[in-house]
Amino acid sequence: QVQLQQWGAGLLKPSETLSLTCAVYGETFSNYYWSWIRQPPGKGLEWIGEINSSVGTNYKPSLKSRVTISADTTKKQFSLTLNSVTAADTAVYYCARTNTLTGLDYWGQGTLVTVSS
Amino acid sequence: DIQMTQSPSTLSASVGDRVTITCRASQSISSWLAWYQQKPGKPPKLLVYKASTLESGVPSRFRGSGSGTEFTLTISSLQPDDFATYYCQQYHSLSTFGQGTKVEVK
Repeated sequence: QVQLQQWGAGLLKPSETLSLTCAVYGETFSNYYWSWIRQPPGKGLEWIGEINSSVGTNYKPSLKSRVTISADTTKKQFSLTLNSVTAADTAVYYCARTNTLTGLDYWGQGTLVTVSS
Repeated sequence: DIQMTQSPSTLSASVGDRVTITCRASQSISSWLAWYQQKPGKPPKLLVYKASTLESGVPSRFRGSGSGTEFTLTISSLQPDDFATYYCQQYHSLSTFGQGTKVEVK
């Protein structure tokens, strides 16, 4: 059974860097894309980007200048870095497995990141 | 970017009702569309993929249809557990979600 467990700092000040990590259990890491999605409080879902350790990364164009997604295949982990955060980046951040056939089929539990001075 | 327009944003319904949610893509996405159900405080749950294929374990009262730019999710007989927010997602080119449809008690 595939499980994703995520962690990272939950409170940031404006201009700081958001950093989250997601560990993958029970699945071959290199066979899939692995994604980050966020959801501002009370709002909808926003896809941020994805990584396949063999192929590369894809990012939402409007976030591309501030986002980096990286992977550590030996640890079966992937990470999200978002630079220069503002209050608009306050959201629950989810990691998920991207199955090219089915979409986002396994999700992490979510991490609330609050940006406040 | 491919834009996804979902309607309605809120839907009031009763147990037993037939419910339909619509999702429109700004350009053709073939059948690369998924539907998710989300309950408060939980991650989304995949219901339907490739526009019309039910994910394993999802009740048969859920049905997805459409292709190209027009898609629908139908719940044939709404059950108490179905009151939630539903999102469509295109995965034809990168990924984009619809704005969501909250199904609430009438």
